[in-house]
Amino acid sequence: AQTVTQSQPEMSVQEAETVTLSCTYDTSESDYYLFWYKQPPSRQMILVIRQEAYKQQNATENRFSVNFQKAAKSFSLKISDSQLGDAAMYFCAYRSGPYRGNEKLTFGTGTRLTIIP
Amino acid sequence: NAGVTQTPKFQVLKTGQSMTLQCAQDMNHEYMSWYRQDPGMGLRLIHYSVGAGITDQGEVPNGYNVSRSTTEDFPLRLLSAAPSQTSVYFCASSYPGQGHNEQFFGPGTRLTVL
Repeated sequence: AQTVTQSQPEMSVQEAETVTLSCTYDTSESDYYLFWYKQPPSRQMILVIRQEAYKQQNATENRFSVNFQKAAKSFSLKISDSQLGDAAMYFCAYRSGPYRGNEKLTFGTGTRLTIIP
Repeated sequence: NAGVTQTPKFQVLKTGQSMTLQCAQDMNHEYMSWYRQDPGMGLRLIHYSVGAGITDQGEVPNGYNVSRSTTEDFPLRLLSAAPSQTSVYFCASSYPGQGHNEQFFGPGTRLTVL
């Protein structure tokens, strides 16, 4: 079974600065997908960014980017120019290859990010 | 589109009571699932369904039942609630296959069992 580990329960960053959240995972599969979800105080789960394991290029979505190291099984999230609205719980998630029945996600335990004004 | 809807938003039960958490989606997604979120444990999969009439167990299925009679609805039943089932419950849906497909989550139901 796959496992996802987020070793930083809490992080804080000054507004406008850059912060990196860590995620490692364990799998024997070669084809899989990784996601970062944001959960603000409203409790809603919001997809931030996704990465296909077969793609070597790191995904980027505006101020959010990932550092995907497949050999090291590491998938960190970098948030640039942090804003107050980025304050939330962030979850790293794993899913197996693109086959019907493989849709289930395995989540890490989350990192609570605080933005300091 | 309303997306994924869940009712109720909050519920308090006494030990031994039964209830059904409702989940519906209007995106014609074949895949639907239920997760529970507990402090310090992330989200854990309870049950999932890849289409009407098909359900399967996830990581923590004990104490929960599901059925999928339509594409749109995927209710979660607690037959005899226990304090250990106090949690926040999320329903999610997506198109099947296609690994990059986003899973859409409902707003969650906070359940307290006394």
